[in-house]
Amino acid sequence: GAVVSQHPSWVICKSGTSVKIECRSLDFQATTMFWYRQFPKQSLMLMATSNEGSKATYEQGVEKDKFLINHASLTLSTLTVTSAHPEDSSFYICSARGSGAVFNTEAFFGQGTRLTVV
Amino acid sequence: EDQVTQSPEALRLQEGESSSLNCSYTVSGLRGLFWYRQDPGKGPEFLFTLYSAGEEKEKERLKATLTKKESFLHITAPKPEDSATYLCAADPSGGYQKVTFGTGTKLQVIP
Repeated sequence: GAVVSQHPSWVICKSGTSVKIECRSLDFQATTMFWYRQFPKQSLMLMATSNEGSKATYEQGVEKDKFLINHASLTLSTLTVTSAHPEDSSFYICSARGSGAVFNTEAFFGQGTRLTVV
Repeated sequence: EDQVTQSPEALRLQEGESSSLNCSYTVSGLRGLFWYRQDPGKGPEFLFTLYSAGEEKEKERLKATLTKKESFLHITAPKPEDSATYLCAADPSGGYQKVTFGTGTKLQVIP
């Protein structure tokens, strides 16, 4: 299957600092990337959807100024958590969908990033 | 509003004890129904996509089926390595590719 690489897999940062998470599609062109947040024992909560070269669409309740998403190329999207606070600590997961007969169906997920804000 | 409900929330099986996980969905048209496996601390791993009622797909000890309102993931003679959380997700038809996930079923297979 298609490979989506997410980096870093875990990060610890101080309150008030910013953290950038990268999501790369390694063997296909990701026309659409999704960013999710997952709390312990809960399912994935969609935060935003980004299409290459255009502004991300944020879900209701997600602060666009706090969670900056950039989808600069067909293989890379980044999520920056700005001025992070302890309540932002969570597991962040990206997924990517491409185009064509295979890749415009299921989404492929990155490994996830465990963010801990202290 | 699109909705996906999975049951049970948790399932504990003895090794070799077959069972089924349920995924009920309500979406405005269904383009595809996905099943994923998620291990602790990792992102979901794709298992199956089902597109139409009556469709079945198999992979090792897993078989996924689809009706117009629900999907089942059948696990035959499970092994401890099948222990994980299984997520289903519905992909509605239409231009906006937003997938709705269920809350998952946490499966534990005991040796």
